Amino acid sequence: KQEVTQIPAALSVPEGENLVLNCSFTDSAIYNLQWFRQDPGKGLTSLLLIQSSQREQTSGRLNASLDKSSGRSTLYIAASQPGDSATYLCAVRGGGNKLTFGTGTQLKVEL
Amino acid sequence: EAGVAQSPRYKIIEKRQSVAFWCNPISGHATLYWYQQILGQGPKLLIQFQNNGVVDDSQLPKDRFSAERLKGVDSTLKIQPAKLEDSAVYLCASSLVGGSVAGDFETQYFGPGTRLLVL
Repeated sequence: KQEVTQIPAALSVPEGENLVLNCSFTDSAIYNLQWFRQDPGKGLTSLLLIQSSQREQTSGRLNASLDKSSGRSTLYIAASQPGDSATYLCAVRGGGNKLTFGTGTQLKVEL
Repeated sequence: EAGVAQSPRYKIIEKRQSVAFWCNPISGHATLYWYQQILGQGPKLLIQFQNNGVVDDSQLPKDRFSAERLKGVDSTLKIQPAKLEDSAVYLCASSLVGGSVAGDFETQYFGPGTRLLVL
């Protein structure tokens, strides 16, 4: 059974700081890994998708890496802003388009 | 393009009562998913439909939860009777298809969720 873990569970940083969120998974037989953002009272928004054959993906200030063999992924956020405050979830995709989610990292970026 | 719609947005009930949630997926999306997200945890898949057929309901507590997707479009998720531990956000998502071909990916688009509180 796939298990996905995210650390830290919560993080508070001052504006402008670079930060790294971690995600680990137990079964390396995945098709891809996805990072989502969840704002209070709203659904999930997809941020980055990394296929199992890829090592990293970048979108603006976000960079996600994947080390499939070791079961790890990181989400790097550069020059954090208060608008980045949200819960960040990683999810791995197995067969049948089934997503297994981690527990999330709650990020607060302070002025 | 309209997103995934869910209603109601909030619901408060007493234990042992019944409740139903509704989801309208993005037009043309064949696959629909219901997730349960308990506070402090990631979403957990309850059931996956492909058109109006069930693909995966292995984590659905079938003694109290039921779901249907008539005509392969809208879906309802019902809980009867509700328990305190059912308090959670229920998320609906949809995708074009739900294939399992290696390397194939279909983005899941999520609705805003229904927040359920069972007292």
